[in-house]
Amino acid sequence: QKEVEQDPGPLSVPEGAIVSLNCTYSNSAFQYFMWYRQYSRKGPELLMYTYSSGNKEDGRFTAQVDKSSKYISLFIRDSQPSDSATYLCAILSGSARQLTFGSGTQLTVLP
Amino acid sequence: ETGVTQSPTHLIKTRGQQVTLRCSSQSGHNTVSWYQQALGQGPQFIFQYYREEENGRGNFPPRFSGLQFPNYSSELNVNALELDDSALYLCASSFRENTGELFFGEGSRLTVL
Repeated sequence: QKEVEQDPGPLSVPEGAIVSLNCTYSNSAFQYFMWYRQYSRKGPELLMYTYSSGNKEDGRFTAQVDKSSKYISLFIRDSQPSDSATYLCAILSGSARQLTFGSGTQLTVLP
Repeated sequence: ETGVTQSPTHLIKTRGQQVTLRCSSQSGHNTVSWYQQALGQGPQFIFQYYREEENGRGNFPPRFSGLQFPNYSSELNVNALELDDSALYLCASSFRENTGELFFGEGSRLTVL
């Protein structure tokens, strides 16, 4: 079993839709939770970063963490064609120096 | 402020050869990490350098090695290339060791024939 499992997609939605992207993890030591966005032929870029259970909002993006269920989500409201990319969840344990990434979900927002 | 730059962007090698990939960290960052991203997969941690010393390593064999220089630029060396080494190699810099806030370069795409 992988330490981080991510819904593989691909996911295709119409412009304006609400998008839900999800990951589960197995290691209770994981404490910090990130979402990265990767456009085609580019490196990943950090979207959001949280360390506690609950919700964190940043514009159209909301990151949700449920540590009791070991489940993390990213919601995108009013999705735009420019949101079309691969979204990677990534998790860091308190003592580690490495990020453990999910396999990524490829999202396409159709105009 | 310049971002993370990597070179070369693309290269093709044959099995058994050696390769060196280079990375220039973002200004002010003293930590560099290298990740391997196979097609359709998330990045996998290779190792991290902090103040010119390796201070963390993932599940990669010793033929993957690295260096960090005093100006915080870095190299990834891979010896005895295998077909499975074909991947995108990503360099990421950060302002400290234990953080998930990484700034990635655009990667070096290695193809091993």
